[in-house]
Amino acid sequence: GEQVEQRPPHLSVREGDSAFITCTYTDPNSYYFFWYKQEPGASLQLLMKVFSSTEINEGQGFTVLLNKKDKRLSLNLTAAHPGDSAAYFCAVRGNYAQGLTFGLGTRVSVFP
Amino acid sequence: EAAVTQSPRNKVTVTGGNVTLSCRQTNSHNYMYWYRQDTGHGLRLIHYSYGAGNLQIGDVPDGYKATRTTQEDFFLLLELASPSQTSLYFCASSDSEGNSDYTFGSGTRLLVI
Repeated sequence: GEQVEQRPPHLSVREGDSAFITCTYTDPNSYYFFWYKQEPGASLQLLMKVFSSTEINEGQGFTVLLNKKDKRLSLNLTAAHPGDSAAYFCAVRGNYAQGLTFGLGTRVSVFP
Repeated sequence: EAAVTQSPRNKVTVTGGNVTLSCRQTNSHNYMYWYRQDTGHGLRLIHYSYGAGNLQIGDVPDGYKATRTTQEDFFLLLELASPSQTSLYFCASSDSEGNSDYTFGSGTRLLVI
């Protein structure tokens, strides 16, 4: 089945700097890609979903890159601020699968 | 507002105990899921369902049963709880379309002592 590797497990960045998280997946049939943010004690909040035809998506304060050739999905938090301190998870699903396969998560800490 | 509601929010039970976790969604979604979240393992799929009366096995189903009584309600049953099932459990729902969003509940924290 699908396997998703997420790196790094922990990330500490200064306020205003960028934080870069990468996921690699194994199943070439994976078709839909998601990034979630989870604050302590809270549920998962969808940041962005990316489809196979999309390579770069920009959100509010972050950029998501998809490279299907390398089977790599990345999240770049641009100009990090304390509100970005949270755990971030990538998730992948195939065209005919239903459940999401998650990476192990990256815990991001933003310090002044 | 469309939502996924889980209950209870916290639960403590003894080893061998019987536990039922409840999930209700008001999204009119076909699919519902149960995940567990553990440090070092991320979120793992236990069971899911695509409609009332349907049940599909996920990636870590051992020790769990599930039942989908209506389109809205999905239950996770631990009939002989073990300490290894201490975890944070999330329910989610999605539509059957591939690009559907997944809506997650707030989670149930289960402690088996």
